[in-house]
Amino acid sequence: AQSVTQPDIHITVSEGASLELRCNYSYGATPYLFWYVQSPGQGLQLLLKYFSGDTLVQGIKGFEAEFKRSQSSFNLRKPSVHWSDAAEYFCAVGAVGGGNKLTFGTGTQLKVEL
Amino acid sequence: EPEVTQTPSHQVTQMGQEVILRCVPISNHLYFYWYRQILGQKVEFLVSFYNNEISEKSEIFDDQFSVERPDGSNFTLKIRSTKLEDSAMYFCASSERGRSADTQYFGPGTRLTVL
Repeated sequence: AQSVTQPDIHITVSEGASLELRCNYSYGATPYLFWYVQSPGQGLQLLLKYFSGDTLVQGIKGFEAEFKRSQSSFNLRKPSVHWSDAAEYFCAVGAVGGGNKLTFGTGTQLKVEL
Repeated sequence: EPEVTQTPSHQVTQMGQEVILRCVPISNHLYFYWYRQILGQKVEFLVSFYNNEISEKSEIFDDQFSVERPDGSNFTLKIRSTKLEDSAMYFCASSERGRSADTQYFGPGTRLTVL
């Protein structure tokens, strides 16, 4: 069965600093991978997704993620964080070739210090 | 931009009572989902729904749960007899198609508190 691990429950960064949120997955083949963000009172919004091709994926709001098969990772990055990026970030995996449920990690709460 | 909406935003109920959580998916989407997140835990898949039928469900989705598309716009999750452990945030989602790579669009959630 597929699973997702987000090792960092909370991360605090200063505004303008770079950001990397970690995500590791367990799946028998190449999975579909997603990053969602949830701001308070809002639904989960898709930042980016990977399902094939270039392993460096660009998303909205200046985010990018890199799929590394050898490390079973799909880490989210942003070169310069803005105060409005403070939110909870979820990594998720979808099964290739069957079913359409998403399996989520526990999320990483990002705090941005001004 | 179209969005998924959910009502109510917060529901408080007594143990053993029935609750219905409501969702309005994006209008041209054909696949609908319910997920839940117990406080401090992962977002978990409950059920997916297409063409008026459940297409996949998790072990959590037992006989106490049911889903329905009562009309052309609403998608509901019913819990027949709530338990304390049903307290969670419930998210509705929809997608245009049901392929694994398709983006699922999520609503803001309904926080269910069972007393």
